[in-house]
Amino acid sequence: GDSVTQTEGLVTLTEGLPVMLNCTYQTIYSNPFLFWYVHYLNESPRLLLKSSTDNKRTEHQGFHATLHKSSSSFHLQKSSAQLSDSALYYCALSGPNTDKVVFGTGTRLQVSP
Amino acid sequence: GPKVLQIPSHQIIDMGQMVTLNCDPVSNHLYFYWYKQILGQQMEFLVNFYNGKVMEKSKLFKDQFSVERPDGSYFTLKIQPTALEDSAVYFCASRTDRGNTLYFGAGTRLSVL
Repeated sequence: GDSVTQTEGLVTLTEGLPVMLNCTYQTIYSNPFLFWYVHYLNESPRLLLKSSTDNKRTEHQGFHATLHKSSSSFHLQKSSAQLSDSALYYCALSGPNTDKVVFGTGTRLQVSP
Repeated sequence: GPKVLQIPSHQIIDMGQMVTLNCDPVSNHLYFYWYKQILGQQMEFLVNFYNGKVMEKSKLFKDQFSVERPDGSYFTLKIQPTALEDSAVYFCASRTDRGNTLYFGAGTRLSVL
């Protein structure tokens, strides 16, 4: 079945350093949709990014990700971490012909001064 | 943006009792989901619901669980009877169509004593 792998459970960074959170997936669909959701403490999880076409970068709020079908990846990046980026980040997968949305195990990002 | 409302935000009940968690999804959304998050762990898929039917459910969706959305009102998750391991935060989500963004509620924290 479909699956999403986020290898890091916790990423700790100093403010100003670059962010990269890994996400790889497995799916039977040739055109999957990949998402990054961010979950701040005591708030609702919300969409951060949604994939575009293969090898095309999508950006929002300083974060960016590129869907690479060749490597089944959709890594999340940011050039400079901010304290306010501290949150739980989920990578998720959905297909055009399925109702299910599969989430990865999540990566907690902790940014310190 | 679109809001998913969950009522109540916190529910405390005794083991063996019945509980109903309510979700008011975004008005034009057609696909509905419940996710479970045990404290300190990742969000896990329970069930998704479309056109009055359960489309898919996970192993976490035990026989004691049921969902419904009578007459387009609240989308509910009922647990009867509850067990200690049901203590978690339950997130409701909805979306317009396959492949589109999921919108989450703020969650209901269920404490089974």
